[in-house]
Amino acid sequence: QSVLTQPPSVSGAPGQRVTISCTGSSSNIGAGYDVHWYQQLPGTAPKLLIYGNSNRPSGVPDRFSGSKSGTSASLAITGLQAEDEADYYCQSYDSSLSGLYVFGTGTKVTVL
Amino acid sequence: QVQLQESGPGLVKPSETLSLTCAVSGYSISSGYYWGWIRQPPGKGLEWIGSIYHSGSTYYNPSLKSRVTISVDTSKNQFSLKLSSVTAADTAVYYCAMCLDSSGYYYYWGQGTLVTVSS
Repeated sequence: QSVLTQPPSVSGAPGQRVTISCTGSSSNIGAGYDVHWYQQLPGTAPKLLIYGNSNRPSGVPDRFSGSKSGTSASLAITGLQAEDEADYYCQSYDSSLSGLYVFGTGTKVTVL
Repeated sequence: QVQLQESGPGLVKPSETLSLTCAVSGYSISSGYYWGWIRQPPGKGLEWIGSIYHSGSTYYNPSLKSRVTISVDTSKNQFSLKLSSVTAADTAVYYCAMCLDSSGYYYYWGQGTLVTVSS
């Protein structure tokens, strides 16, 4: 059971904005550790989308943005496109016995 | 461009040891960074297994620590995972990946390999 909680699913029409939350605690996000985000298309390996809370690797569209506040983080997708339909995972460091690096529970984004 | 490729048996018997290797191209492991293993049971989420620094220091998921060994072979530019006493719960797609700093984000990933634990 992950210590980072995400909504199981979110959906939106093409062109809309959707956000995915990642809720942690004082031993991970709340302790100031960075949050990273991954996109996993069906049948493929995860792809780094956001690192260090809000930084985009080269090649990632600026439609994707990340933020962090308190014990939570968020991933926003603006101008939703059909190709954005995928699973999204957050990741952070946890200082408790839950595990050094932990992933969120995952969120399925559906483009209506 | 850094590329990673997992290899190893796709079927392992219960109680035996799962062994996987990750071959790295486009970057010399001995030059730096962290090298890790992540797994994903069918239809489920991602689980961090552990990682190794280029110098040999290892970091393991506490829930798997008693069964996991990660090692590096700089002469072959590859690193390996061994998971002992496997059960059906260890059936998963296993990914190797390259982590660029201690904050833990994995920039490059292998394609993944499915390992099934069954007699």
